[in-house]
Amino acid sequence: SYELTQPPSVSVSPGQTASITCSGDTLGDKYASWFQQKPGQAPGLLIYQNNHRPSGIPERFSGSKSGNTATLTISGTQAMDEADYYCQAWDSSTAIFGGGTKLTVL
Amino acid sequence: EVQLVESGGGLVKPGGSLRLSCGASGFILSSHNMHWVRQAPGKGLEWVSSITSDNYIYYADSVKGRFTISRDTAKKSLYLQMNSLRVEDTAVYYCAKDCGTYCPFGYWGQGTLVTVSS
Repeated sequence: SYELTQPPSVSVSPGQTASITCSGDTLGDKYASWFQQKPGQAPGLLIYQNNHRPSGIPERFSGSKSGNTATLTISGTQAMDEADYYCQAWDSSTAIFGGGTKLTVL
Repeated sequence: EVQLVESGGGLVKPGGSLRLSCGASGFILSSHNMHWVRQAPGKGLEWVSSITSDNYIYYADSVKGRFTISRDTAKKSLYLQMNSLRVEDTAVYYCAKDCGTYCPFGYWGQGTLVTVSS
C-alpha cells in the first residue's frame, strides 16, 4: 500500500526556518497538502496543490515539491507554530496521510 | 461561513453499530466532495471514506464492508453508518469538506469520539 514518510520530530529555534519533508513513491505525480494540528483541536489546512496557501494562512507557511519529496517550510517560526504537521496525497481513490511530524519550537 | 458539526459518537461494544452525523451549513452539500477522517488516541490521521459531488463513494480497506457513507441534502447532513465495530475503530471522527478540485480537506469539523470497548 502507498505510504508517505515524514520525520517524527523537528526542532527549531524561534525566528528560524523549519522544514518538514514528506516523501513517497510517485509523489512527484501527485498533489500534496499540508495540515497543522494543535493539541485538542481539529486539523487545519495549511497548503494544498503542493504550494497553494488558503486565505488566512500566514505567508510564513509555504510548500514546495522536488521529485518525490514535498516540503513544508515555516519561515520566522513562532512559538504558536508548535504543533503536529501532516502531509496528504491521493493514491488512486485513496487518501493517504503521512505519519505526522511534531514541531518543537525551542 | 462554512460550518461542520459532528455528532453521534459514544461508547459501543465490539460488534455493535453507531451512526455519525455531520451537520453542514454555509454551502450546498451536494455540490462538494465530503470526507470522514479519523484519529485514534495519540495517533495520526487516517482517511476513512469519501463521497464525491457526483456520488462516487470510496472507503479505506480497513472499513470496507462495515462502514457506509451517505448524505441527505434536505437535512444538510453527512452520515457514517458504522457496523461490526472493532476495538481498533476507537478514534475521533472528523468530517471534512473540499475547498476546490485539488483541495480535498479544506474545512474540518471539531470531531466526535467513538469508543469501542467491552
